[in-house]
This record gives sequence, structure tokens and C-alpha cells, in this order.
Amino acid sequence: KAGVTQTPRYLIKTRGQQVTLSCSPISGHRSVSWYQQTPGQGLQFLFEYFSETQRNKGNFPGRFSGRQFSNSRSEMNVSTLELGDSALYLCASSQQGEGAFFGQGTRLTVV
Amino acid sequence: AQSVSQHNHHVILSEAASLELGCNYSYGGTVNLFWYVQYPGQHLQLLLKYFSGDPLVKGIKGFEAEFIKSKFSFNLRKPSVQWSDTAEYFCAASHSGNTGKLIFGQGTTLQVKP
Repeated sequence: KAGVTQTPRYLIKTRGQQVTLSCSPISGHRSVSWYQQTPGQGLQFLFEYFSETQRNKGNFPGRFSGRQFSNSRSEMNVSTLELGDSALYLCASSQQGEGAFFGQGTRLTVV
Repeated sequence: AQSVSQHNHHVILSEAASLELGCNYSYGGTVNLFWYVQYPGQHLQLLLKYFSGDPLVKGIKGFEAEFIKSKFSFNLRKPSVQWSDTAEYFCAASHSGNTGKLIFGQGTTLQVKP
């Protein structure tokens, strides 16, 4: 089975811009979650999508949004980028009875 | 509030030493517990998981963890570490039945000296 695939791997954006990150889960997994990893805050949960519906949401501002498509692929969008949004964004897919499996992440740098 | 805490932020060991990394959680209801490892430059990998049953869980690469419900703990152990175990280790928890929302501990950096 192919693992979780995230694209792009690296991004550099300017403050005020918006960005879209993509995640393809493991085949058959219907749950896709997003996390932000920074040196200061560690790994923080952003949101989870299951069967195209947001099932859980973390404590992030509304500038962070996501969606899931019928093939379980997911996208995450961040609008009006701030310097503090620079981070590694991780996507994970999971299914009942298993743990979550993570992709390599997208390294976002906001300048 | 749900939380996971890891006792040690940075651990330095010599090869062949035994390892124990502490993890405590605060969660309402039944929990699933996990340990992940992140080797330098690599993605998070699942080391082991606890859902129910035998509280002593064995994972990959010789790691094991023990769930002690009365202490709200899920400590990671390995009898003899190798230089290749140098990595960051994360404890995580989720509500039973939903591994889509993980709460992570702060992480423990393990450095193994050859």
C-alpha cells in the first residue's frame, strides 16, 4: 500500500498571501487529519475530515480551513498568511482499529 | 481539558543502556494511546499503540509500553538502545473509537552516544 502523500514538500509564501496544501491518504482510509508542527508549540491538531465532513476541529483561527473530496483526498487552506504560520504541516490518515499514519509534511515558510 | 505530558524533554544515553520515557495523560472517558518516533529528516512513524486488552504492548524495533490506568501513564521502554534510536519520541492520545484527533505530548529528544 502506498503511504500518505503530501504536496508540495516545500513552500515559500509572502505575508498576506494564501496557500493550499494537499494530502492523499492511504487507500481505503476515510479519515484525514491535519497537524501543525513548530519548535515552540510542538504538534497541534488542526482538524479532521471523515467522509467529506469535518468531524473535529482544533483551536486555530478561521484563516485555517480544509475540505475533503469524495476520493478521501484532502486540502488545507491558510488565508492571509502571517509569519507565525511558518511550520511543518502534517497530514495523517487513519481508520478504525489502527493508529494514524503520517505523511512527510509540507514545510511552509512565510516571509 | 485533554492533555498529554512527557516528563523528559532531552535524554542522553550510551549504547546498550536501558530506556524509559514517561508519558501521562489527562482524558475523559476511554482512551487510545500511542507512541510515535520521528527520526531526523523523516516523517512520524507509529511505534506502538494501545486500544484495549493486555496493558503491556509490544511495538516495532524492540520497543514496548505499559498502560497503567491507575497512574494515567503509558511509559515507553527499551531494554538496550542503539545509536540508530536517536530520534524524537512523541506520546499521543485519542478518544477511544476515533484516532483522527490525536493530542500529542511535547516530545522527548533521545540522543544515544556510540
